[in-house]
Amino acid sequence: AQKITQTQPGMFVQEKEAVTLDCTYDTSDQSYGLFWYKQPSSGEMIFLIYQGSYDEQNATEGRYSLNFQKARKSANLVISASQLGDSAMYFCAMREGLGTDKLIFGTGTRLQVFP
Amino acid sequence: DVKVTQSSRYLVKRTGEKVFLECVQDMDHENMFWYRQDPGLGLRLIYFSYDVKMKEKGDIPEGYSVSREKKERFSLILESASTNQTSMYLCASSFPSLAETQYFGPGTRLLVL
Repeated sequence: AQKITQTQPGMFVQEKEAVTLDCTYDTSDQSYGLFWYKQPSSGEMIFLIYQGSYDEQNATEGRYSLNFQKARKSANLVISASQLGDSAMYFCAMREGLGTDKLIFGTGTRLQVFP
Repeated sequence: DVKVTQSSRYLVKRTGEKVFLECVQDMDHENMFWYRQDPGLGLRLIYFSYDVKMKEKGDIPEGYSVSREKKERFSLILESASTNQTSMYLCASSFPSLAETQYFGPGTRLLVL
């Protein structure tokens, strides 16, 4: 069965430091997409970054990058130069290709950035 | 900008009441989704719809129903609210494409007393 695993319930990082949030996935499909979302305390889910299973390069979006290791089935989010506003819940999600538009979510990681 | 709106940010209902949660999107998306979010469980899919009047059960449909009479609107219905339906409810919409993100509404925090 398809599954997303986020093993870090909570993480702390000092402002301006980099932090890696872990995500592993399980799928038998060859075609799939991986997403990261940020959820501040206000509740809305904000899309951060996307990686397709056939993308050869790791995705980057500003301070966010996705460390995609296909053989290990991992898609870790790296946030560089953390800011206080990065404090939030972060969710990894996977969409399986060809026939479904559903997303499967992990349980999330709460990131706290301290000064 | 894509906008997904939900009818209420906070809602308090009594056990046994019928509850309607409304979601509207303005991007002509085919797909619409209802999730429930509980601490430690992430987001779980309740129902989704890929076209008007079409719906499919997600992972936890029990106790819920949905309605999609117009493309832009997707309603979640709790026929008889129970305390274990106290939760955060998130609506989302998207185009049917592998690389397309889902766009989320602000969420409705429902408390059933």
